[in-house]
Amino acid sequence: AQSVAQPEDQVNVAEGNPLTVKCTYSVSGNPYLFWYVQYPNRGLQFLLKYITGDNLVKGSYGFEAEFNKSQTSFHLKKPSALVSDSALYFCAVRDVAAGNKLTFGGGTRVLVKP
Amino acid sequence: DAGVIQSPRHEVTEMGQEVTLRCKPISGHNSLFWYRQTMMRGLELLIYFNNNVPIDDSGMPEDRFSAKMPNASFSTLKIQPSEPRDSAVYFCASSHRAFLPRERSYNEQFFGPGTRLTVL
Repeated sequence: AQSVAQPEDQVNVAEGNPLTVKCTYSVSGNPYLFWYVQYPNRGLQFLLKYITGDNLVKGSYGFEAEFNKSQTSFHLKKPSALVSDSALYFCAVRDVAAGNKLTFGGGTRVLVKP
Repeated sequence: DAGVIQSPRHEVTEMGQEVTLRCKPISGHNSLFWYRQTMMRGLELLIYFNNNVPIDDSGMPEDRFSAKMPNASFSTLKIQPSEPRDSAVYFCASSHRAFLPRERSYNEQFFGPGTRLTVL
């Protein structure tokens, strides 16, 4: 069965500093990996995905993520965080053997302080 | 495109009442997903459809929950009878699942704004 772990419930960072949100995964086949962001009282919004190719994936709002197969990780990063990046971030994995469904991590709340 | 549309946005009901949540996916999308989000359990997949056919309903909590997709532009999630522990935010999402070998079908899901359900 596929699974995703986000080890940090919350990440605090000062505005302008680098932001990293951690994610590790477990699948039986090739992973398709996604990051979503959820702002208060809103649905999830797609940020970026890794399917194949370059291990560094660039997405919306200046975010990027690095796929590391040996460490089974897909950490989300942003070089310089903004206060408006404060939100709930979800990592998700799709196992090709599991059909079309995604398995989400528990989410990491990011708080960017001015 | 208006995105995924859900109604109502908020629903407050009393225990034992029937609740129906509605979803209109993005036009052209052929996969639809129902999720439930709570503080305790996080984001859970309840059921998903491909081409209006239920594919995996293993996440549906119990027989009180049912979902239908009568056509490509409409789906419902029904709870009958409702209980206080059903209180949550329910999200609908849709995606385009290309008719390619399964290994290459990887399109992201687009989420609706959610329905906040409170069962008293």
